[in-house]
Amino acid sequence: AQSVTQLGSHVSVSEGALVLLRCNYSSSVPPYLFWYVQYPNQGLQLLLKYTSAATLVKGINGFEAEFKKSETSFHLTKPSAHMSDAAEYFCAVSDKYGNKLVFGAGTILRVKS
Amino acid sequence: EAGVVQSPRYKIIEKKQPVAFWCNPISGHNTLYWYRQNLGQGPELLIRYENEEAVDDSQLPKDRFSAERLKGVDSTLKIQPAELGDSAVYLCASSPPLVEGANGELFFGEGSRLTVL
Repeated sequence: AQSVTQLGSHVSVSEGALVLLRCNYSSSVPPYLFWYVQYPNQGLQLLLKYTSAATLVKGINGFEAEFKKSETSFHLTKPSAHMSDAAEYFCAVSDKYGNKLVFGAGTILRVKS
Repeated sequence: EAGVVQSPRYKIIEKKQPVAFWCNPISGHNTLYWYRQNLGQGPELLIRYENEEAVDDSQLPKDRFSAERLKGVDSTLKIQPAELGDSAVYLCASSPPLVEGANGELFFGEGSRLTVL
């Protein structure tokens, strides 16, 4: 069975500050890992994904995440937050076939001016 | 290219009433998913279709929920009768054919928000 734990249901940062959203996973098979973003009243869209190639993955809008097997983590970072980054972020895990994507509970990011 | 289209966007009904949600996936995407997202939680899979076949419906509450995907394109999710606990956002997603090592991106619609009074 696979599962994801996102630490912190709400994160608040100042504009220009580092964004760090934490995700830990549990998987009995080599995982594929994803970060999705959901803006208000919109569907989820893919930010980035790890599929067993490079452990540091770059995504859209300046976000990146690093797969650390020893820590079973896949934290999402961005060096400098923008107001437009305010949204809810979901970490998710699947097997290599992508049959069943399991989502975390989400982290709401607030960016203060 | 059009994205995943869902309707209605919002629905308010009284408990014990039926409700149906419709989804039109991205053209060429043979895999279609229905997820339920409760307030403050991540989406949870209800059912996954490969073309017309429901290949994973283990999380679908079959006593009151049903789904169909006739002709392997559009899909409908039905709840009858609705209960208070069914209030949630119902998300439809689609993806191109799953291939080992080259998969993972689901394309989501905007969701159908259900309120059961």
